Amino acid sequence: DTAVSQTPKYLVTQMGNDKSIKCEQNLGHDTMYWYKQDSKKFLKIMFSYNNKELIINETVPNRFSPKSPDKAHLNLHINSLELGDSAVYFCASSPLAKGTDTQYFGPGTRLTVL
Amino acid sequence: AQSVTQLGSHVSVSEGALVLLRCNYSSSVPPYLFWYVQYPNQGLQLLLKYTSAATLVKGINGFEAEFKKSETSFHLTKPSAHMSDAAEYFCAVSPTGTASKLTFGTGTRLQVTL
Repeated sequence: DTAVSQTPKYLVTQMGNDKSIKCEQNLGHDTMYWYKQDSKKFLKIMFSYNNKELIINETVPNRFSPKSPDKAHLNLHINSLELGDSAVYFCASSPLAKGTDTQYFGPGTRLTVL
Repeated sequence: AQSVTQLGSHVSVSEGALVLLRCNYSSSVPPYLFWYVQYPNQGLQLLLKYTSAATLVKGINGFEAEFKKSETSFHLTKPSAHMSDAAEYFCAVSPTGTASKLTFGTGTRLQVTL
């Protein structure tokens, strides 16, 4: 009955590879997000989708491509992985896309690029 | 652009002592403000939020925060620390509009000692 789940929890891969991270929420929320947390714990928003439509797209390399097949899922595909992509990636969801919304976070996916 | 500054990357208190974690915001208009907590190897969880109603906001686990416009602050307090409060605490700001876009501070690690 996990509210926001992510798979995999850990991902270790070589530079240059392509990988995907999946996120699912069972809260019935309209909006989903991807955040990147670096080694210093700094959290930064990457993308946000509302009802499968991209509404926030921060300054993220084109190698990162989010996809939302439906309201409950938001996946993140990363091409040509680089060392600097190593981080913890968090998915989150919120009821709507309002500034007052509480965001509910998944447990994170720790990506290590060797 | 909106931002938050967390003073003190690391705060250590004794069990039973007052917890005070500082957060100052920068915004041309009063924003929405949040405190999230991250326990080791977990996602973030909302502690409390200010959305322009009462300036003194009570959250979970005995935490509270007061919005002070004159000081552009939203400090987090708890009268008596417990060992289980040891975690990373993040202050965040969101614009007062139709977008939910959290901008996080750099975080404060709270250590609780016996």
